[in-house]
Amino acid sequence: QSALTQPRSVSGSPGQSVTISCTGTSSDIGGYNFVSWYQQHPGRAPKFMIYDVSKRPSGVPDRFSGSKSGNTASLTISGLQAEDEADYYCCSYAGRYTFVVFGGGTKLTVL
Amino acid sequence: EVQLVESGGGLVHPGGSLRLSCAASGFTFSSYWMHWVRQAPGKGLVWVSRVNSDVSSTNYADSVKGRFTVSRDNAKNTLYLQMNSLRAEDTAVYYCARVYWGGGTDWYFDLWGRGTLVTVSS
Repeated sequence: QSALTQPRSVSGSPGQSVTISCTGTSSDIGGYNFVSWYQQHPGRAPKFMIYDVSKRPSGVPDRFSGSKSGNTASLTISGLQAEDEADYYCCSYAGRYTFVVFGGGTKLTVL
Repeated sequence: EVQLVESGGGLVHPGGSLRLSCAASGFTFSSYWMHWVRQAPGKGLVWVSRVNSDVSSTNYADSVKGRFTVSRDNAKNTLYLQMNSLRAEDTAVYYCARVYWGGGTDWYFDLWGRGTLVTVSS
C-alpha cells in the first residue's frame, strides 16, 4: 500500500479537463509545499511534470497545473490530448526521516 | 543526449546479491545527487536510496537499510546499487534518477532512466 492515495483510474475525452487527486497526511502533503508529479507512459521512464505543488519545469505544457489544499494535492490536465494517456504519480517530501513518499499511481485514459 | 541507462538486473535467488549500474551521459554527473527508485510489478513508485555528489552522504529507505549500498564513480559517470540479502519483496524495476536543483527541496527527480528489472525468486 502506497503512502499517498490516488484514484486507480480517471478518464476524459479529448479537449476536456481531468483532475487527479493525491491524499496524504499532515506529515507529508499537509506539512510541506513540496509536492511533485510524474507522468509515465508504458515501458518508458517517468517524466517530471510539476514541482513545488504548482510549478512546471521547462518544456511542460501549461495544460498541466498543480494545486494543494490541506492534505490533498491535485493535478489538473486541461485540453486533454491523446498523448496525455499515461500513468501519473504524485510525490511529497515527508521529513528528515521518511524523506519522500509516492502515490500508487493513476491511469489516465483519453476516450 | 542527456540520459541515464540502468543495467545489471536479472533473476536472483532469495538471499542472493546483485549490483545495479546506472550510466549517465550528456551532463556533469559529478554535480548531481542521485537516487534509486523502484517499482514492483503493477505497483507504484517507491524511493530506495540517495547519494550526494562525493559519496559523503547516503540515505536509505527503512526497507533496504543494512542490505543495500549506494555508491558512485564520478570518473566513470556511473551510479551503483549493491543489493545483498535479497528478498522476494525486492522484486521490482529499479530506476536511477537525478536530483532537480531548481525547486524548494532536493527531493525532486528531473531525469530518469528506463529501469532494470530485478526478480528475486527460487
